[in-house]
Amino acid sequence: EPEVTQTPSHQVTQMGQEVILRCVPISNHLYFYWYRQILGQKVEFLVSFYNNEISEKSEIFDDQFSVERPDGSNFTLKIRSTKLEDSAMYFCASSKRTGGHEQFFGPGTRLTVL
Amino acid sequence: AQKVTQAQTEISVVEKEDVTLDCVYETRDTTYYLFWYKQPPSGELVFLIRRNSFDEQNEISGRYSWNFQKSTSSFNFTITASQVVDSAVYFCALSELSSGGSNYKLTFGKGTLLTVNP
Repeated sequence: EPEVTQTPSHQVTQMGQEVILRCVPISNHLYFYWYRQILGQKVEFLVSFYNNEISEKSEIFDDQFSVERPDGSNFTLKIRSTKLEDSAMYFCASSKRTGGHEQFFGPGTRLTVL
Repeated sequence: AQKVTQAQTEISVVEKEDVTLDCVYETRDTTYYLFWYKQPPSGELVFLIRRNSFDEQNEISGRYSWNFQKSTSSFNFTITASQVVDSAVYFCALSELSSGGSNYKLTFGKGTLLTVNP
């Protein structure tokens, strides 16, 4: 069964460093998302992406964040200069269609900023 | 005001008990979608069910059942004869067309931690 994959599973970085989180969505899906979950809290929407551009972004997704689909399979989230409060689990999701179709989530990348 | 409220932060039951997880949502849209996701201790988010706002039929899938009531804006989830493997955090989520957008992002509740003891 196709699934969303994410790498790395855990990333440790120093404050101020840039990180790139990678995702490979399900191959015939067209809509891509990033969410984050601070430890013990709810899952929060960051950004949605369709047709090679951002569809919507949340207040969390400020200028330090960017997303890219550099080729036909990868979908990346870059944090330019990490802060302590960026420590969280980052989930990538994809869906075949919009209109409330189910989003399938990857296993997540745990980002720890020291 | 929260769009998705899961009032139960933690529930603890003994195996074989039935348990209901509550979810109340808020939206002005007439078209919207409701979801339940399971997050086991390993951390991944597992899709369980999706309902659209026009389909109030209750659904049963094995030991799982869902009760959608638009009149009370609730979408409750019942596990019958709970098992230890059901122990997880369960999230209810709402998907509505974002204003000015074309995507249906998910808005999650805070989750309910279910612990099933042997």
